[in-house]
Amino acid sequence: DAKTTQPTSMDCAEGRAANLPCNHSTISGNEYVYWYRQIHSQGPQYIIHGLKNNETNEMASLIITEDRKSSTLILPHATLRDTAVYYCIQTDSWGKFQFGAGTQVVVTP
Amino acid sequence: DADVTQTPRNRITKTGKRIMLECSQTKGHDRMYWYRQDPGLGLRLIYYSFDVKDINKGEISDGYSVSRQAQAKFSLSLESAIPNQTALYFCATRPGQGTGELFFGEGSRLTVL
Repeated sequence: DAKTTQPTSMDCAEGRAANLPCNHSTISGNEYVYWYRQIHSQGPQYIIHGLKNNETNEMASLIITEDRKSSTLILPHATLRDTAVYYCIQTDSWGKFQFGAGTQVVVTP
Repeated sequence: DADVTQTPRNRITKTGKRIMLECSQTKGHDRMYWYRQDPGLGLRLIYYSFDVKDINKGEISDGYSVSRQAQAKFSLSLESAIPNQTALYFCATRPGQGTGELFFGEGSRLTVL
């Protein structure tokens, strides 16, 4: 079973920031947090990952709490094309990625 | 051309038939994975391989087998397909070192009647 928990769904207005929470209370010191998204039935797409520091790339920002038990993915300016299922995964460097059900994000005009 | 290619993309078969789904990659990655996705659910790990000689079972390996023919090829077989194996199957690859991400293929949709 997936080791993370996420809300089942959330809505976001186009142009606004989308903040997606994830709990990973069992995370160990050598495990990373990865975020992926899946649009319709396409192959999941990598977004971002981090260990303990906050991370930012061209797609999103990842904020990890100091105790590392939770994190938030931030899509700074959501567009309709960001409508997708977003998965939060904790895994070690060996990379046995286990996906949960994810969060269905719907961006509305 | 896609870096991770799955064949066939769609397949309809009958109960009891043997089916092979193939995955090939041009990324030069050591690690390869097979996942299954059922409607409305997340991906579940079937098998994974960290190199040609290292193959491991995932969460749901029963009813499936795999073959890592080369670094670039990882095949998933259903020896005797059953209807509850109807699903979308994804292959993924990852570099052997470091913390790089998974790269996914486009998926193979399998229907077992």
